[in-house]
Amino acid sequence: SYELTQPPSVSVSPGQTATIPCSGAKLGDKFVSWYQHNTGQSPVLVISQDNKRPSGIPERFSGSNSGNTATLTISETQALDEADYYCQTWDGNYYVFGSGTRVTVL
Amino acid sequence: QVRLVQSGTEVKKPGASMKVSCKASGYTFTSHSISWVRQAPGQGLEWVGWISTHNGNTNYAQKFQGRVTVSTDPSTTTAYLELRSLTSDDTAVYYCAKNSGQWDFDSWGEGTLVSVSS
Repeated sequence: SYELTQPPSVSVSPGQTATIPCSGAKLGDKFVSWYQHNTGQSPVLVISQDNKRPSGIPERFSGSNSGNTATLTISETQALDEADYYCQTWDGNYYVFGSGTRVTVL
Repeated sequence: QVRLVQSGTEVKKPGASMKVSCKASGYTFTSHSISWVRQAPGQGLEWVGWISTHNGNTNYAQKFQGRVTVSTDPSTTTAYLELRSLTSDDTAVYYCAKNSGQWDFDSWGEGTLVSVSS
C-alpha cells in the first residue's frame, strides 16, 4: 500500500517560515492536499491539488510538489497556526493520509 | 453554506456494530461524493471509505473491507457509515467529509466519537 511520510514535529518562531515535508514514491506524479487539524475541531483543507488555496485560506499558506516530496510552507507564522498538519493524496485506488506533523510556534 | 451534521456519541461492546449518520446541506447532494475518515486516540487521520452520491458506487480501504458499509439516502441528503465486528481498535472519532472533486475533501462534519469497550 502507498505510504506518505511526515516528520512528527516542526518548531518555528513567530514571524518565521515553517516548512513541512511529505514524502512518498513518485509523489510528484500525484496531486497532494494539506489539512490543518486542531484538537477537538474538524480538519480544514488549506492546500488543494499541490498549490491551490481554498477560499478563506490566508496567502501565507503555500504548497509545492516535485519528485518524491511535497511541501507545505507557512510564511510569517502566527501563534494561531499551531496545529497538526496532514498531507493527503489519491494513489489511484485509495485516499492516503500522511502520518501528520505537529507545528509548534515557540 | 455547506454543512455536514453528524449523529452523536456511541458506546459499543466488542463484537457489536456502529452506524453513524451525516446530514448534508447547502449544496447539491448528488454532485459530490462523501468520504469517511477516522482518528483514533493519539493517532493520525485514516481514510475509511467513499461513496458516490450520484450512483451509489463505493470504495473502501483494504483494512476495513468485509466489515464496512457506506450508504446514502438522497431523499434526506444523509450518508451513513456502518462498521461491524467492532474491537477496541475501532475506538475513534469518525468524520464525514465532502469530496471537492476526485482529489480531496473540502468540508468536514464535526466528528462522532465511537467508544468500544467491554
